[in-house]
Amino acid sequence: AQTVTQSQPEMSVQEAETVTLSCTYDTSESDYYLFWYKQPPSRQMILVIRQEAYKQQNATENRFSVNFQKAAKSFSLKISDSQLGDAAMYFCAYAGAQKLVFGQGTRLTINP
Amino acid sequence: EAGVAQSPRYKIIEKRQSVAFWCNPISGHATLYWYQQILGQGPKLLIQFQNNGVVDDSQLPKDRFSAERLKGVDSTLKIQPAKLEDSAVYLCASSLFSAASYNEQFFGPGTRLTVL
Repeated sequence: AQTVTQSQPEMSVQEAETVTLSCTYDTSESDYYLFWYKQPPSRQMILVIRQEAYKQQNATENRFSVNFQKAAKSFSLKISDSQLGDAAMYFCAYAGAQKLVFGQGTRLTINP
Repeated sequence: EAGVAQSPRYKIIEKRQSVAFWCNPISGHATLYWYQQILGQGPKLLIQFQNNGVVDDSQLPKDRFSAERLKGVDSTLKIQPAKLEDSAVYLCASSLFSAASYNEQFFGPGTRLTVL
Protein backbone atom coordinates (compact mmCIF):
# COMPACT_ATOMS: atom_id res chain seq x y z
CA ALA A 1 0.00 0.00 0.00
CA GLN A 2 1.10 3.52 -0.69
CA THR A 3 2.20 5.64 2.26
CA VAL A 4 2.83 9.35 2.61
CA THR A 5 5.06 10.76 5.33
CA GLN A 6 5.33 14.35 6.50
CA SER A 7 8.13 14.49 9.02
CA GLN A 8 7.50 18.05 10.22
CA PRO A 9 4.45 18.21 12.52
CA GLU A 10 4.88 21.98 12.90
CA MET A 11 6.74 24.74 11.07
CA SER A 12 6.87 28.47 11.55
CA VAL A 13 8.12 31.29 9.36
CA GLN A 14 8.34 35.05 9.49
CA GLU A 15 5.95 36.93 7.29
CA ALA A 16 7.43 37.64 3.83
CA GLU A 17 10.03 34.91 4.16
CA THR A 18 10.23 31.53 2.43
CA VAL A 19 9.42 28.17 3.98
CA THR A 20 9.68 24.60 2.66
CA LEU A 21 7.46 21.75 3.81
CA SER A 22 8.71 18.20 3.30
CA CYS A 23 6.91 15.11 2.08
CA THR A 24 8.09 11.65 1.14
CA TYR A 25 6.06 8.78 -0.22
CA ASP A 26 6.40 5.13 -0.93
CA THR A 27 5.00 3.46 -4.03
CA SER A 28 5.73 0.83 -6.64
CA GLU A 29 3.55 2.53 -9.24
CA SER A 30 5.13 4.45 -12.11
CA ASP A 31 2.18 6.68 -12.94
CA TYR A 32 0.66 8.80 -10.21
CA TYR A 33 -0.14 12.30 -9.04
CA LEU A 34 0.92 14.24 -5.98
CA PHE A 35 -0.94 17.05 -4.28
CA TRP A 36 -0.59 19.64 -1.56
CA TYR A 37 -3.84 20.56 0.17
CA LYS A 38 -4.29 23.43 2.61
CA GLN A 39 -6.72 23.26 5.55
CA PRO A 40 -7.12 26.65 7.29
CA PRO A 41 -8.51 26.65 10.83
CA SER A 42 -12.24 25.86 10.76
CA ARG A 43 -12.36 26.18 6.99
CA GLN A 44 -12.55 23.91 3.98
CA MET A 45 -9.59 21.99 2.67
CA ILE A 46 -8.49 23.38 -0.68
CA LEU A 47 -6.06 22.24 -3.35
CA VAL A 48 -2.84 24.26 -3.46
CA ILE A 49 -0.85 22.55 -6.19
CA ARG A 50 -0.73 19.31 -8.19
CA GLN A 51 2.18 17.45 -9.82
CA GLU A 52 1.92 14.68 -12.39
CA ALA A 53 4.68 12.11 -11.94
CA TYR A 54 5.43 11.79 -15.64
CA LYS A 55 6.20 15.51 -15.91
CA GLN A 56 9.78 16.42 -15.05
CA GLN A 57 9.02 20.12 -14.72
CA ASN A 58 8.11 21.18 -11.20
CA ALA A 59 4.64 22.67 -10.80
CA THR A 60 4.22 26.28 -9.72
CA GLU A 61 1.16 28.30 -8.68
CA ASN A 62 1.99 31.92 -7.93
CA ARG A 63 3.92 31.90 -4.62
CA PHE A 64 3.69 28.10 -4.29
CA SER A 65 6.10 25.74 -6.00
CA VAL A 66 7.17 22.14 -5.57
CA ASN A 67 10.46 20.29 -5.72
CA PHE A 68 9.57 16.88 -7.12
CA GLN A 69 12.33 14.29 -6.92
CA LYS A 70 10.85 11.12 -8.39
CA ALA A 71 13.82 8.84 -7.76
CA ALA A 72 14.02 9.93 -4.14
CA LYS A 73 10.20 9.83 -3.80
CA SER A 74 10.25 13.32 -2.39
CA PHE A 75 7.72 16.10 -2.95
CA SER A 76 8.35 19.31 -1.02
CA LEU A 77 6.30 22.50 -1.08
CA LYS A 78 7.96 25.93 -1.11
CA ILE A 79 5.97 28.96 -0.10
CA SER A 80 7.60 32.24 -1.05
CA ASP A 81 6.80 35.65 0.45
CA SER A 82 4.74 34.03 3.23
CA GLN A 83 1.53 35.81 4.16
CA LEU A 84 -0.61 35.65 7.30
CA GLY A 85 -3.31 33.93 5.26
CA ASP A 86 -0.96 31.02 4.57
CA ALA A 87 -1.33 29.84 8.17
CA ALA A 88 -2.96 26.41 8.02
CA MET A 89 -2.47 22.67 8.11
CA TYR A 90 -0.83 21.47 4.93
CA PHE A 91 -1.38 17.92 3.73
CA CYS A 92 0.65 16.10 1.13
CA ALA A 93 -1.38 13.51 -0.77
CA TYR A 94 -0.69 10.71 -3.24
CA ALA A 95 -3.06 9.55 -5.96
CA GLY A 96 -2.30 6.41 -7.89
CA ALA A 97 -4.48 3.67 -9.26
CA GLN A 98 -6.61 3.67 -6.14
CA LYS A 99 -7.67 6.09 -3.47
CA LEU A 100 -6.14 9.41 -2.48
CA VAL A 101 -3.75 8.86 0.46
CA PHE A 102 -2.91 11.75 2.78
CA GLY A 103 0.08 12.38 5.01
CA GLN A 104 -0.27 13.36 8.65
CA GLY A 105 -0.04 17.08 7.96
CA THR A 106 2.24 19.99 8.87
CA ARG A 107 0.89 22.90 10.86
CA LEU A 108 2.33 26.15 9.46
CA THR A 109 2.41 29.26 11.61
CA ILE A 110 3.18 32.67 10.15
CA ASN A 111 4.85 35.13 12.55
CA PRO A 112 4.06 38.80 11.83
CA GLU B 1 -20.72 28.24 -7.63
CA ALA B 2 -21.91 26.80 -4.35
CA GLY B 3 -19.45 24.54 -2.57
CA VAL B 4 -19.92 21.20 -0.87
CA ALA B 5 -22.46 21.52 1.93
CA GLN B 6 -22.45 19.42 5.08
CA SER B 7 -24.65 19.30 8.14
CA PRO B 8 -24.60 19.37 11.03
CA ARG B 9 -21.30 21.17 11.66
CA TYR B 10 -20.99 19.81 15.19
CA LYS B 11 -22.50 16.83 16.97
CA ILE B 12 -22.03 15.47 20.49
CA ILE B 13 -23.46 12.07 21.38
CA GLU B 14 -23.08 9.38 23.98
CA LYS B 15 -21.41 6.11 23.05
CA ARG B 16 -23.77 3.49 21.66
CA GLN B 17 -26.05 6.19 20.25
CA SER B 18 -26.67 6.66 16.53
CA VAL B 19 -25.77 9.64 14.39
CA ALA B 20 -26.18 10.67 10.76
CA PHE B 21 -24.34 13.17 8.63
CA TRP B 22 -25.57 14.75 5.42
CA CYS B 23 -23.64 15.95 2.39
CA ASN B 24 -24.72 17.84 -0.71
CA PRO B 25 -21.95 17.88 -3.34
CA ILE B 26 -21.27 20.55 -5.92
CA SER B 27 -23.94 20.44 -8.61
CA GLY B 28 -22.99 18.12 -11.45
CA HIS B 29 -20.20 16.35 -9.59
CA ALA B 30 -20.39 12.64 -10.27
CA THR B 31 -18.06 11.38 -7.57
CA LEU B 32 -18.60 11.79 -3.83
CA TYR B 33 -16.25 10.85 -1.01
CA TRP B 34 -16.56 10.49 2.75
CA TYR B 35 -13.39 10.85 4.82
CA GLN B 36 -12.69 10.43 8.52
CA GLN B 37 -10.10 12.81 9.96
CA ILE B 38 -9.00 11.96 13.48
CA LEU B 39 -7.32 14.80 15.38
CA GLY B 40 -3.68 15.12 14.38
CA GLN B 41 -3.99 12.87 11.33
CA GLY B 42 -4.71 13.25 7.65
CA PRO B 43 -8.10 12.34 6.20
CA LYS B 44 -8.76 8.65 5.60
CA LEU B 45 -11.18 7.58 2.88
CA LEU B 46 -14.22 5.73 4.20
CA ILE B 47 -16.29 5.36 1.06
CA GLN B 48 -16.40 6.63 -2.51
CA PHE B 49 -19.44 6.82 -4.77
CA GLN B 50 -19.65 7.41 -8.48
CA ASN B 51 -23.18 8.58 -9.15
CA ASN B 52 -25.16 6.27 -6.86
CA GLY B 53 -22.82 3.27 -7.04
CA VAL B 54 -20.08 2.40 -4.54
CA VAL B 55 -16.56 2.50 -6.00
CA ASP B 56 -14.55 1.82 -2.85
CA ASP B 57 -15.71 1.05 0.68
CA SER B 58 -12.75 -1.07 1.75
CA GLN B 59 -11.99 1.07 4.81
CA LEU B 60 -15.57 1.52 5.97
CA PRO B 61 -16.26 -0.33 9.26
CA LYS B 62 -19.37 -1.97 7.91
CA ASP B 63 -20.48 -3.40 11.25
CA ARG B 64 -21.34 0.11 12.42
CA PHE B 65 -21.00 2.53 9.52
CA SER B 66 -23.29 2.79 6.51
CA ALA B 67 -23.62 5.26 3.69
CA GLU B 68 -25.93 5.84 0.80
CA ARG B 69 -26.22 8.19 -2.13
CA LEU B 70 -29.74 8.06 -3.40
CA LYS B 71 -30.37 9.44 -6.90
CA GLY B 72 -26.66 10.13 -7.29
CA VAL B 73 -26.76 13.52 -5.54
CA ASP B 74 -26.99 13.92 -1.74
CA SER B 75 -25.39 11.41 0.56
CA THR B 76 -25.86 10.31 4.15
CA LEU B 77 -23.28 8.65 6.40
CA LYS B 78 -24.57 6.87 9.50
CA ILE B 79 -22.87 5.44 12.55
CA GLN B 80 -24.80 2.95 14.66
CA PRO B 81 -23.79 2.39 17.43
CA ALA B 82 -21.06 4.99 17.97
CA LYS B 83 -17.85 4.22 19.85
CA LEU B 84 -15.45 6.60 21.58
CA GLU B 85 -12.89 6.10 18.81
CA ASP B 86 -15.35 7.47 16.24
CA SER B 87 -14.69 10.98 17.55
CA ALA B 88 -13.34 12.78 14.48
CA VAL B 89 -14.16 15.25 11.75
CA TYR B 90 -16.12 13.68 8.92
CA LEU B 91 -15.35 15.32 5.61
CA CYS B 92 -17.36 15.07 2.45
CA ALA B 93 -15.76 15.83 -0.91
CA SER B 94 -16.83 15.71 -4.53
CA SER B 95 -15.15 15.72 -7.92
CA LEU B 96 -16.49 16.53 -11.34
CA PHE B 97 -15.22 13.69 -13.39
CA SER B 98 -14.81 9.97 -13.01
CA ALA B 99 -13.67 8.27 -9.85
CA ALA B 100 -10.01 8.45 -10.81
CA SER B 101 -8.07 9.42 -7.72
CA TYR B 102 -6.09 12.16 -9.46
CA ASN B 103 -9.09 14.37 -10.09
CA GLU B 104 -9.24 17.48 -7.89
CA GLN B 105 -11.53 16.98 -4.94
CA PHE B 106 -13.56 19.81 -3.43
CA PHE B 107 -14.13 19.49 0.28
CA GLY B 108 -16.96 20.52 2.54
CA PRO B 109 -16.45 22.17 5.96
CA GLY B 110 -16.81 18.86 7.77
CA THR B 111 -18.85 17.62 10.73
CA ARG B 112 -17.02 17.44 14.04
CA LEU B 113 -18.30 14.45 16.02
CA THR B 114 -17.58 14.02 19.71
CA VAL B 115 -18.54 10.71 21.31
CA LEU B 116 -18.69 10.80 25.12
